[in-house]
Amino acid sequence: LAKTTQPISMDSYEGQEVNITCSHNNIATNDYITWYQQFPSQGPRFIIQGYKTKVTNEVASLFIPADRKSSTLSLPRVSLSDTAVYYCLVGGPVGGGNKLTFGTGTQLKVEL
Amino acid sequence: KAGVTQTPRYLIKTRGQQVTLSCSPISGHRSVSWYQQTPGQGLQFLFEYFSETQRNKGNFPGRFSGRQFSNSRSEMNVSTLELGDSALYLCASSKGTSNGNEQFFGPGTRLTVL
Repeated sequence: LAKTTQPISMDSYEGQEVNITCSHNNIATNDYITWYQQFPSQGPRFIIQGYKTKVTNEVASLFIPADRKSSTLSLPRVSLSDTAVYYCLVGGPVGGGNKLTFGTGTQLKVEL
Repeated sequence: KAGVTQTPRYLIKTRGQQVTLSCSPISGHRSVSWYQQTPGQGLQFLFEYFSETQRNKGNFPGRFSGRQFSNSRSEMNVSTLELGDSALYLCASSKGTSNGNEQFFGPGTRLTVL
């Protein structure tokens, strides 16, 4: 399973763009990259998933370079409610079992 | 569309007892995965069921078991509870037929072992 490395914590202010980078040097060909958000005492919430290049949805963008050894989650104009732990995951083989490996995550703190 | 539901939300047990937790996946989802979350170990994968069969298993002792019913609802059981089993137990469901990363988590069951 691909191991991921991401910053332990990040601080930001309301209205700023936040970019969280995740390293996954031994990502496999079949692996996708997925980001989850978790608030205290709640289950993780799916944010975005991608395989290569750029993916955008209504809440975030995911940038994946050609070598796929890293990825960057971009949160535009964060608010206080975006304070949470963000997890980068790699894996979930296509057609196989669904086994997510969570790292330590990045604690994002947004202030006024 | 209803989300993933877990019951009970909170549970207090004593060492040596056993416990059964329940999870109802999103309608149409056939895969149910279970995770344990503790402050020290983070989120750890327990096992995954798909169409009533265990398809993946994490590194947990045999005291942790599970099953899935024909309606995709799942239960997990922990026997001979230990203090270290105190954790938030999360269930996640997905369609299970392609890349498995897009899973939808329930609110969890907070288990406290005294």
